[in-house]
Amino acid sequence: DVKVTQSSRYLVKRTGEKVFLECVQDMDHENMFWYRQDPGLGLRLIYFSYDVKMKEKGDIPEGYSVSREKKERFSLILESASTNQTSMYLCASSFPPWRGNTIYFGEGSWLTVV
Amino acid sequence: AQTVTQSQPEMSVQEAETVTLSCTYDTSENNYYLFWYKQPPSRQMILVIRQEAYKQQNATENRFSVNFQKAAKSFSLKISDSQLGDTAMYFCAFMKHGTNFGNEKLTFGTGTRLTIIP
Repeated sequence: DVKVTQSSRYLVKRTGEKVFLECVQDMDHENMFWYRQDPGLGLRLIYFSYDVKMKEKGDIPEGYSVSREKKERFSLILESASTNQTSMYLCASSFPPWRGNTIYFGEGSWLTVV
Repeated sequence: AQTVTQSQPEMSVQEAETVTLSCTYDTSENNYYLFWYKQPPSRQMILVIRQEAYKQQNATENRFSVNFQKAAKSFSLKISDSQLGDTAMYFCAFMKHGTNFGNEKLTFGTGTRLTIIP
């Protein structure tokens, strides 16, 4: 069964803290994504990666960075958390286009920055 | 750049009735994919249905079907015989077609919150 696991479902962090959100997939997918979900705005792409150590900026990369040292793991990093980064973060993964385009999502991580 | 618009923030319908969720999009691409995703209160995003733009036939999956109007750039979702388990946020999404890296990014609409009333 397809599995995208986000290690932290609920986090509360202080302004200025460094925050790591971890995502692991067990499907040997090349592509991994981080989306941010806010009411009234839908899902917006922060970063994606199509291979180990490869990354591309999405629509809203400011204030975020990512790391992909292993194929199955994709981390989202908030170098200095701010209150406007309070949101729901969704990780996703997929094969490259020539192997099918279904994107699978994790259950999400609720981050509150106080 | 692509945009996806869902003009109905919230909808509700009685159980067993039929409901249609609207989605329009804007793109200069000729070949692409359109999706409807469901996000129940548990938050796990689930693929409901997929449509390939070069296929004229509307996609169907059991009680879920789409009305794809390419010229009008419209992609509505019809849920027949609605059930309590259909209560969720529904997102319309767009993906470019092709084999280039990055094509598999999804562009989402803002969502429609659907409530099925017992």
